Amino acid sequence: KAGVTQTPRYLIKTRGQQVTLSCSPISGHRSVSWYQQTPGQGLQFLFEYFSETQRNKGNFPGRFSGRQFSNSRSEMNVSTLELGDSALYLCASSSGGQMNTEAFFGQGTRLTVV
Amino acid sequence: QKEVEQDPGPLSVPEGAIVSLNCTYSNSAFQYFMWYRQYSRKGPELLMYTYSSGNKEDGRFTAQVDKSSKYISLFIRDSQPSDSATYLCAMVGGSNYKLTFGKGTLLTVNP
Repeated sequence: KAGVTQTPRYLIKTRGQQVTLSCSPISGHRSVSWYQQTPGQGLQFLFEYFSETQRNKGNFPGRFSGRQFSNSRSEMNVSTLELGDSALYLCASSSGGQMNTEAFFGQGTRLTVV
Repeated sequence: QKEVEQDPGPLSVPEGAIVSLNCTYSNSAFQYFMWYRQYSRKGPELLMYTYSSGNKEDGRFTAQVDKSSKYISLFIRDSQPSDSATYLCAMVGGSNYKLTFGKGTLLTVNP
């Protein structure tokens, strides 16, 4: 069974640009959550999509957005990039039930903003 | 006060030692408690999760939850160099499905 796939693995962008990250969940999983991981703040929840609908949202500015497609694949977009957006972005896939207790993470996309 | 507190370490132990990792939390709504292991440059890997207070064992790993004290632990017996990683606790509960993580404890097991 294939795991969670995130593309690309690494990205370097310039301040002010926008970026789109992609996540393909485990087959059969309907929930995709996105997290930002930094050394200072640890893992912080961005948002969760379940069956193409945003089910939960964290405390990030509106520059961070996402969507989910009918095949459960998800994309995350960050507009007007800032230096502070440099981080490892992780997506987690789960069936969507039992409060996401069995969430499986991808390898992450490491974004560097210069 | 942060919802989840976890000592970042670093923690360094000799091979074969028993390791104890801990988290405290303040949100009484948390119902499920997870432990993840994260190797350098990798995504977190789910080790185990528990629901009720008490112990849950899986091989060399034991998770312990004390809801009355809002305290959870992960014990690793007979630790191995391959256990060297960052260990993250995570919790979920209430009206949403958001996992709230501790900042992680960096563990090094020395051969």
